[in-house]
Amino acid sequence: KAGVTQTPRYLIKTRGQQVTLSCSPISGHRSVSWYQQTPGQGLQFLFEYFSETQRNKGNFPGRFSGRQFSNSRSEMNVSTLELGDSALYLCASRETVATNEKLFFGSGTQLSVL
Amino acid sequence: ILNVEQSPQSLHVQEGDSTNFTCSFPSSNFYALHWYRWETAKSPEALFVMTLNGDEKKKGRISATLNTKEGYSYLYIKGSQPEDSATYLCAPCSSYKLIFGSGTRLLVRP
Repeated sequence: KAGVTQTPRYLIKTRGQQVTLSCSPISGHRSVSWYQQTPGQGLQFLFEYFSETQRNKGNFPGRFSGRQFSNSRSEMNVSTLELGDSALYLCASRETVATNEKLFFGSGTQLSVL
Repeated sequence: ILNVEQSPQSLHVQEGDSTNFTCSFPSSNFYALHWYRWETAKSPEALFVMTLNGDEKKKGRISATLNTKEGYSYLYIKGSQPEDSATYLCAPCSSYKLIFGSGTRLLVRP
């Protein structure tokens, strides 16, 4: 079974631009979560999608948005990029949203905002 | 907002030493506690998921315990090896969100 795939692996953008990151979950997994990792911070929860519906959202501004498609693939969009958005963005999938179900992570997208 | 604390922040041990880390979290609205290992240049990987007070899990030399009443979990590594070097993250689940701590960075010297 293929793992969680994130594209692109690296991305360089300038302030004010927008960016879209993609995540393909493990086959059969219907939940996709997104996390942001910045130096000195833990993994900050952005949002979780299940069956095309956003189930939960973290404390991020409205510039951060996401969606999930019928094939469970998910995209995350960040508009009007700021320097502070430079981070590693990880997505994770699991079959359901059961609390005892572990997450499977992708390799991440490293975003640099100049 | 769930306040998750992990200690120590980092740990350097000698190969063969046994070690343990702590994860503290508010005990209200608790559903489950996850532990992940994150090696450099790799993705975080699940170690354990525990749900019940008193739960104990073991995987090789690594084990974990859970106390939901007082809101903490311990992770133990017996006879640390250089390949155990990684950041260990705990993530309690509350309101169906997994909230990660900042992690304990373990370095095992050969």
